[in-house]
Amino acid sequence: EAGVVQSPRYKIIEKKQPVAFWCNPISGHNTLYWYLQNLGQGPELLIRYENEEAVDDSQLPKDRFSAERLKGVDSTLKIQPAELGDSAVYLCASSAQGNEQFFGPGTRLTVL
Amino acid sequence: QQPVQSPQAVILREGEDAVINCSSSKALYSVHWYRQKHGEAPVFLMILLKGGEQKGHEKISASFNEKKQQSSLYLTASQLSYSGTYFCGTGWEAGGTSYGKLTFGQGTILTVHP
Repeated sequence: EAGVVQSPRYKIIEKKQPVAFWCNPISGHNTLYWYLQNLGQGPELLIRYENEEAVDDSQLPKDRFSAERLKGVDSTLKIQPAELGDSAVYLCASSAQGNEQFFGPGTRLTVL
Repeated sequence: QQPVQSPQAVILREGEDAVINCSSSKALYSVHWYRQKHGEAPVFLMILLKGGEQKGHEKISASFNEKKQQSSLYLTASQLSYSGTYFCGTGWEAGGTSYGKLTFGQGTILTVHP
């Protein structure tokens, strides 16, 4: 069974530029999560989808971050414009019925 | 309301045991344990649900004390492959929009030496 796929794995951009991350969850997993992980810290939830509906986006900085999960399968997380403080690893995870979460390899973002 | 993990770091020799604790200030419904190696994704170890059960996974087991709002992860006869950062993720609601939502602790760095 294929795991959670994320791309790109690494991204370096200058501040104020836009950036987008893509995630394809495990087939059949209806719940999709986007997390932010800073160095030496645990993952912090940004947004959670149940199928195509965002059921928890309270932690998403909506002035610059947006996400979508069209057709309830893969998802895109966008930052526009990026700030220096956005440098982190962005993890995508999926689960079936809210059980154990399976994480993708993450996208390491560096904002210069 | 981030759960608090202790210790922050632990160093072991192969074959030694370790315990990692995860405490919450809020009543727990579930606790998930993950291990993350440097530069890799967190890997699921086990989930414990409200009810004080204990689960085992090879030489790694965990307990869930509902009264103390705490979970402990036990690593026995540690191996080199156990090295990594261990995170607990806590869930508080069985239903509604909080179901499936986890809040992760800050992590415990475990290093196993030969």
